[in-house]
Amino acid sequence: DTGVSQDPRHKITKRGQNVTFRCDPISEHNRLYWYRQTLGQGPEFLTYFQNEAQLEKSRLLSDRFSAERPKGSFSTLEVQRTEQGDSAMYLCASSLGGVSYNEQFFGPGTRLTVL
Amino acid sequence: DAKTTQPTSMDCAEGRAANLPCNHSTISGNEYVYWYRQIHSQGPQYIIHGLKNNETNEMASLIITEDRKSSTLILPHATLRDTAVYYCIVRSPYNAGNMLTFGGGTRLMVKP
Repeated sequence: DTGVSQDPRHKITKRGQNVTFRCDPISEHNRLYWYRQTLGQGPEFLTYFQNEAQLEKSRLLSDRFSAERPKGSFSTLEVQRTEQGDSAMYLCASSLGGVSYNEQFFGPGTRLTVL
Repeated sequence: DAKTTQPTSMDCAEGRAANLPCNHSTISGNEYVYWYRQIHSQGPQYIIHGLKNNETNEMASLIITEDRKSSTLILPHATLRDTAVYYCIVRSPYNAGNMLTFGGGTRLMVKP
């Protein structure tokens, strides 16, 4: 296992379309996080899973966003009815839960551009 | 989690030590200091973390002041590949989800 992978790396879509991103975490990691990063800013937390349970969602995660982790392995993040303000880098990270200081390993991100 | 303050940008000559400061004056006793960096077009990468004592690993050293209100990340011999945005993050162990709160970070430019 070489780390966290994300697919696609880039996505260009028209406003109003739905898009879905995938994240494959490090295999033994039970926690999975989604962050969003806009140009010139640090990443912002969106949501996280412990195994298949979604335990917390940021207020940044509007109703148009939905995340799943059906079998506690890979995760998907769907954005419905995309808006230009959704253009950002979407980062996934994974970690071992249960220990407060466990580091998070990040994937390379999916860059979304909404035209 | 406590708020952190970092300079927006810094330059460093290749081969010299890069000292990146972070102010976290509102840190509480059980909060850890973490450093991550983000090289252009990549996801953030963990560097080091500490609570009270100074820490060193293969990437860097972390110096935390005795009052814990500030810290310095030291890259002992900076290379061009260390050019990145460096984020100082304070995290509480009671943050159940352990999510990270990133600020703006310091953009370090290592120059030949």
